[in-house]
Amino acid sequence: KQEVTQIPAALSVPEGENLVLNCSFTDSAIYNLQWFRQDPGKGLTSLLLIQSSQREQTSGRLNASLDKSSGRSTLYIAASQPGDSATYLCAVHTSGTYKYIFGTGTRLKVLA
Amino acid sequence: NAGVTQTPKFQVLKTGQSMTLQCAQDMNHNSMYWYRQDPGMGLRLIYYSASEGTTDKGEVPNGYNVSRLNKREFSLRLESAAPSQTSVYFCASNLQWRGETQYFGPGTRLLVL
Repeated sequence: KQEVTQIPAALSVPEGENLVLNCSFTDSAIYNLQWFRQDPGKGLTSLLLIQSSQREQTSGRLNASLDKSSGRSTLYIAASQPGDSATYLCAVHTSGTYKYIFGTGTRLKVLA
Repeated sequence: NAGVTQTPKFQVLKTGQSMTLQCAQDMNHNSMYWYRQDPGMGLRLIYYSASEGTTDKGEVPNGYNVSRLNKREFSLRLESAAPSQTSVYFCASNLQWRGETQYFGPGTRLLVL
């Protein structure tokens, strides 16, 4: 059974720092992995989708990497800003299923 | 493009009451999903519809039913609400069930007393 873990659960950093959020999963047979952002009281916004055949994806200050063999993905945020404060969730689509399995998220606070 | 819309935004029910949560998407997506989000448990899949005319159970289907009314609309029904169904419910959709970005609605906050 696929399990997705995100560490740390919460993170507080000063503005301008580069930071890394981690996501690990137990079953490496996946179609893809997706990173989302969730603001308090809001829905999820997709940030990056990495297909199983890809190693990384980039969008602006965000870079997500995928290492299927070790069951890990990282989301790198460069030059963090207070507007980046939110909860970041990763979700894994396991091969042979219709289901995305979500981690419980990392709550990020960027201090001005 | 409104994306994925959900109604209502917030609802309070008494135990045993029924209600239907509505979801619609205007992106011509084939697949739609219902999730619930609870503190400390992340998002869990309740039901999904891989394509129009099909529905199937997710991780936590007990106490719920769904209808894929047409390609745009996917509703979630609670026949007899229980306090354990107090949660935030999200609808999502994507073009195809495999390999495509999921887009989420704003959520429905449900409180069952």
